Amino acid sequence: SYVLTQPPSVSVAPGKTARISCGGNNIGSKSVHWYQQKPGQAPVLVIYYDSDRPSGIPERFSGSNSGNTATLTISRVEAGDEADYSCQVWDTSSDHVVFGGGTKLTVL
Amino acid sequence: EVQLLESGGGLVQPGGSLRLSCAASGFTFSNYVMSWVRQAPGKGLEWVSAISGGSGTTYYADSVKGRFTIFRDNSKNTLYLQMNSLRAEDTAIYYCAKGIGSGGIFDDWGQGTLVTVSS
Repeated sequence: SYVLTQPPSVSVAPGKTARISCGGNNIGSKSVHWYQQKPGQAPVLVIYYDSDRPSGIPERFSGSNSGNTATLTISRVEAGDEADYSCQVWDTSSDHVVFGGGTKLTVL
Repeated sequence: EVQLLESGGGLVQPGGSLRLSCAASGFTFSNYVMSWVRQAPGKGLEWVSAISGGSGTTYYADSVKGRFTIFRDNSKNTLYLQMNSLRAEDTAIYYCAKGIGSGGIFDDWGQGTLVTVSS
C-alpha cells in the first residue's frame, strides 16, 4: 500500500517560513491535499490539488509537489498557525485514501 | 452553511457493535461522496470508508473491511457507519467528511464522535 512520510515535528520562529514535507514514491504524479488540525478541533483543508487554496485560507499558505516530495509552505508564520498538518492523497492503485502521519508545527 | 453532525459514539465492549450517524445540511447531500475518517487518541488521521453519492460504490480501508459497513439515506440526508466485531484498536474519534474532486478531497468535516472499545 502507498505510504506518505512526514516529519513528526517542525519548529519555526514567528515571521519566518515553515516548510513541511510529505514524502511518497513518485508523489509528484499524484494530487496532494493538506489539512490543518488544532487541538480539540476537526481538520481544515488548507491546500488541495498540490497548490490550490480554499476560500478563506490566507495566501501565506502555499504548496508544491514534484518527484518524491510534496511541500506545504507557510510564510510569515503566526502563533495561530501552530497546529498539526497532514498530507493526503488518493491512491488509485488501491482505491484508498492515504494520510501522512502528521507534522506538529511549533511556533517558537 | 455546510453542517455535518455525527452521533452514536460511546463505550462498547470488544466484539460489540455500534452504528454511527452523520446528519448533513447546507448542501445537496446526494451529489457528494461522503467518507468516515478516524483519529485514535494522540495519533494521526486514518481514512475508514467512503461511499458515492448514489450509494453505488463503497470503499473500505483494509483495517475495517468485512467488519464495517458504510451506507447512506439520501432522503434523510444522513450518512451511517455500522461497526461490528469492534476491537480495542478501533477506539478513536470518528469524523464524517464531505468529499469534492471525485471525493478524494475533504472540504468539510463534522466535529466527530468518540468511540471507545474497552471491557
